[in-house]
Amino acid sequence: DAKTTQPNSMESNEEEPVHLPCNHSTISGTDYIHWYRQLPSQGPEYVIHGLTSNVNNRMASLAIAEDRKSSTLILHRATLRDAAVYYCILRDVIHAGNMLTFGGGTRLMVKP
Amino acid sequence: NAGVTQTPKFQVLKTGQSMTLQCAQDMNHNSMYWYRQDPGMGLRLIYYSASEGTTDKGEVPNGYNVSRLNKREFSLRLESAAPSQTSVYFCASSVDLRGGSDTQYFGPGTRLTVL
Repeated sequence: DAKTTQPNSMESNEEEPVHLPCNHSTISGTDYIHWYRQLPSQGPEYVIHGLTSNVNNRMASLAIAEDRKSSTLILHRATLRDAAVYYCILRDVIHAGNMLTFGGGTRLMVKP
Repeated sequence: NAGVTQTPKFQVLKTGQSMTLQCAQDMNHNSMYWYRQDPGMGLRLIYYSASEGTTDKGEVPNGYNVSRLNKREFSLRLESAAPSQTSVYFCASSVDLRGGSDTQYFGPGTRLTVL
């Protein structure tokens, strides 16, 4: 299974942009890049996903490198509510049944 | 819509006791999952159900059984609880796991302590 590497933790100031990196150098052509986050004492929630092109939604943006070996989740204006663990996960579109494999994620701390 | 609901929210068991964790979703999803999360760790998949009538083992199935009761409900049973099963249990559902863009929706979790 392709694996991802994320920093253990990051800090940000409130109302500033946050760039959360993810390396996935062994990604295959059929892997989607998914991001989930887990707020304290809650279940994970879906944030965004993409395959090759950059993606935007109401929560965040996903920037995917041209060679797809890395990606960056962008929160445009961090709020205190964005303090969470962010997980970058690869899902294979061809091999049916491939599950979400949660690694350690990045713990984002937001300072007021 | 309530999304994914789980009962109970908290449970304390003694070693050897049995219990069933309940999960229901109202999004008409085909696929459902059970995960566990130990302190400071990521989630690990216990069992999943691709569609009504099917169940399959995940990464850590030992000590657990599941039942996909109908399209809405997916229960997890501990037949003889052990302290190593102390964890937070999350249920999730998705439209259909057979697709790389499929996204999962998670319940609030059940915090289980086995003494």
